Amino acid sequence: EVQILETGGGLVKPGGSLRLSCATSGFNFNDYFMNWVRQAPGKGLEWVAQIRNKNYNYATYYAESLEGRVTISRDDSKSSVYLQVSSLRAEDTAIYYCTILWVYWGQGVMVTVSS
Amino acid sequence: DIQMTQSPSSLPASLGERVTISCRASQGISNNLNWYQQKPDGTIKPLIYYTSNLQSGVPSRFSGSGSGTDYSLTISSLEPEDFAMYYCQQDASFPTFGGGTKLELK
Repeated sequence: EVQILETGGGLVKPGGSLRLSCATSGFNFNDYFMNWVRQAPGKGLEWVAQIRNKNYNYATYYAESLEGRVTISRDDSKSSVYLQVSSLRAEDTAIYYCTILWVYWGQGVMVTVSS
Repeated sequence: DIQMTQSPSSLPASLGERVTISCRASQGISNNLNWYQQKPDGTIKPLIYYTSNLQSGVPSRFSGSGSGTDYSLTISSLEPEDFAMYYCQQDASFPTFGGGTKLELK
């Protein structure tokens, strides 16, 4: 059974930074691209970032709206993917979801940016 | 970026009714169109991939169709558990989602 657990969310002051983690199990993590998607309160889904696997040299891609403030990374030995977000703004307040192949989704982790 | 326009944004419907949700891409996406259901607790469930392929475990009352820039999701006979938010998503290029459709009980 595929399991996904996002952690690392919380309340952060504007201008601060946060590192989200997504721990997975139940599948061959090394084979797959990983994505982060977010959802602001009462809004729709927004793709944030993707990291490809070793065969694609761990290439990374980012949503234009966040480029320069986010970094996605992965640790294949831990079957985990990470999202570092810096210079946080109120509009970054959202639930952040980790997804594999667009098939398996975590329950999400809440990030609130407020003073 | 490819923009996805989903309609309607709200869809009141009755149990047993057939409903259709539409999604239009700002440019051709070669059938790279997926559909998701989101429940009020935030749980996201993939329904259909590559326009018309049902994900494992998805009931056959769900179907998808389309080509080029225009796609649709149809639920043939609404069940109580179908009332939720629905999103389309293209992954022909950097992924983008439609704005969502709230399927609610009339």
